[in-house]
Amino acid sequence: AQTVTQSQPEMSVQEAETVTLSCTYDTSESDYYLFWYKQPPSRQMILVIRQEAYKQQNATENRFSVNFQKAAKSFSLKISDSQLGDAAMYFCAYRRGITSGTYKYIFGTGTRLKVLA
Amino acid sequence: NAGVTQTPKFQVLKTGQSMTLQCAQDMNHEYMSWYRQDPGMGLRLIHYSVGAGITDQGEVPNGYNVSRSTTEDFPLRLLSAAPSQTSVYFCASRYGTGIDNEQFFGPGTRLTVL
Repeated sequence: AQTVTQSQPEMSVQEAETVTLSCTYDTSESDYYLFWYKQPPSRQMILVIRQEAYKQQNATENRFSVNFQKAAKSFSLKISDSQLGDAAMYFCAYRRGITSGTYKYIFGTGTRLKVLA
Repeated sequence: NAGVTQTPKFQVLKTGQSMTLQCAQDMNHEYMSWYRQDPGMGLRLIHYSVGAGITDQGEVPNGYNVSRSTTEDFPLRLLSAAPSQTSVYFCASRYGTGIDNEQFFGPGTRLTVL
């Protein structure tokens, strides 16, 4: 069975600084997707960034980027130039690829990010 | 588009009561899911559907029923509420299986079972 582990329950970062959130996963599949979701106090789940396992290039979305290490099964999220609005719970998630015929997402337990002014 | 809507936003039940959490989407998405979120546990999949008339169990299906009679609606039924079902429930939908098909979440329902 696939698992997703976020070992940092809470992280803090100074405004304008850079922070990295860790995520490791376990799978025997070769075709899969990885995601980072943000959940602010409003409770709304917001997709931050996504990565396809077959793509070696790390995904980037503005100030958000990932460090995808497939052999190590690691998928960390880097937030540059942190802003107060980045304060939220961040969830790492895994889903098997199209060829698997399955739809299930597996989420990590989350990392609460605090941004200090 | 309203996106994914959930009702109610908050609900308090007594042990043994039954209720239905409503979920609807207006994006013509085939795939819909129900998750529960508990402190320290992340989101766990309860049930999901890959189209009208097709549902399947997720990670934590016990105590919950679903049906999908239309593309738009995917209600979650609690048959006999228990305190262990106190949680925040999220409904989600997506169009297809490719990585570009984003999963959209509803605003959540906070359920308390006394």
